[in-house]
This record gives sequence, C-alpha cells and structure tokens, in this order.
Amino acid sequence: EVVLTQSPATLSLSPGERATLACRASQSVRTSLAWYQQKPGQPPCLLIYDASKRATGIPARFSGSGSGTDFTLTITSLEPEDFAVYFCQQRYNWPYTFGQGIKLEI
Amino acid sequence: EVQLVESGGGLVQPGGSLRLSCAASGFAFGNQWMHWVRQVPGKGLVWVSHIDTDGRTTHYADSVKGRFTISRDNVKDTLFLQMNSLTAEDTAVYYCAGDTVGGSDIWGQGTMVTVSS
Repeated sequence: EVVLTQSPATLSLSPGERATLACRASQSVRTSLAWYQQKPGQPPCLLIYDASKRATGIPARFSGSGSGTDFTLTITSLEPEDFAVYFCQQRYNWPYTFGQGIKLEI
Repeated sequence: EVQLVESGGGLVQPGGSLRLSCAASGFAFGNQWMHWVRQVPGKGLVWVSHIDTDGRTTHYADSVKGRFTISRDNVKDTLFLQMNSLTAEDTAVYYCAGDTVGGSDIWGQGTMVTVSS
C-alpha cells in the first residue's frame, strides 16, 4: 500500500499570503495524484488531478506540481474561503490512499 | 444538476449488516468509475472501494475486503455498498464519489453509519 505523508500537519497563515502544502509518497505514483479541499460539514472538493491539472471551476490561485514521490499544492494569495483541510490522494496503485490531511488555518 | 445522494446509513449492532445506496443524477453515471470513501468525524478520509463502469472490476481496502461488496445498477443509476460483519471501527460517514476526470469530482453529502450495541 502506498503511504502518503502530508506536511506540515497545520499551516498558519494570513489572507494574501502564499501557502505551500507538501505530499510525499512511499513509492512512485508517477503523476497520479489528486488534491482535495474539505470544509467543515461538507464533502471533499476536487482541486487538482493528475498532479497539476486544475479541476473545473477551481480558481487559478490553486496549482499543483510534482511527480514520482514528491508533490506540492500551492495557493497564491490566500482568500478567506481557502482556510480548510487539504488531502492528497494517490490513484496509481490499488488500494487508492489518502494522506492524513493538512489544516490550513488563519 | 449533478448530484449524488446517499442513503441507508444508521445504527447497527456489531456483527450486523447494512446496505448503502447512492442515487446519481445529472451526469452519465454508467460512464464513470465510482468509489466509496469513509471518514470518522473530525478525522481523515479513507478510501473504501471502487467499481468500474460495467461493474466487472472492483477493488477494496484491506480493512473491508471480504466483508464489503460494491455493486452498481446502471439502469437505475445507483451505486451500492453491502456491508457485513460490521465492527465499531466501521463507524464513519460514508461518501460515494464519482470520477469524470483523474480524480473524484462528484461527491455526495454522506450517510452516517454507527456500529454500536
């Protein structure tokens, strides 16, 4: 099973700042990695798939990069609605697995 | 409107069974891979199971293999999860999710499953 480790566990920033969230895989997943945002009481929302492709309707301030074992989600100029929990998911090997999540807080 | 609506959750005793349903609308359900994902409130996401478009190929997390069965009815646009031999560790919100791209971009609101005596 591919283990995804996200860091940091919590990221404290202010609106307007830049956020960099990391996801490391225990083995190569090529570019088969997705990022999700989840707000309290809501289901997850797909932000990025195939490591760097923005999902429909996702603002351009969200971008993904990386391949193999190291991936990054970058949010330029944080908006108030961006403060949430972010999960990465590998979709290269079964079983699909999620990282433990990063809480982005003010 | 693209929508997934889960149902069938509730309180069940340890060792019991439950069948979850997920009704799809607003998109070509029969053309999409579907998944079940669960989440203990306040905790992380756990992928549970996958089914391909015609139901012939399925995958399961090790924690549910042999106890849970995923299936789908492409005529009724509905996804199912049959859960047997339930334990307290299966207590969670269960989401159904669909892939129209290389990620799950359609999610239901979830249904709560509580396993307790």
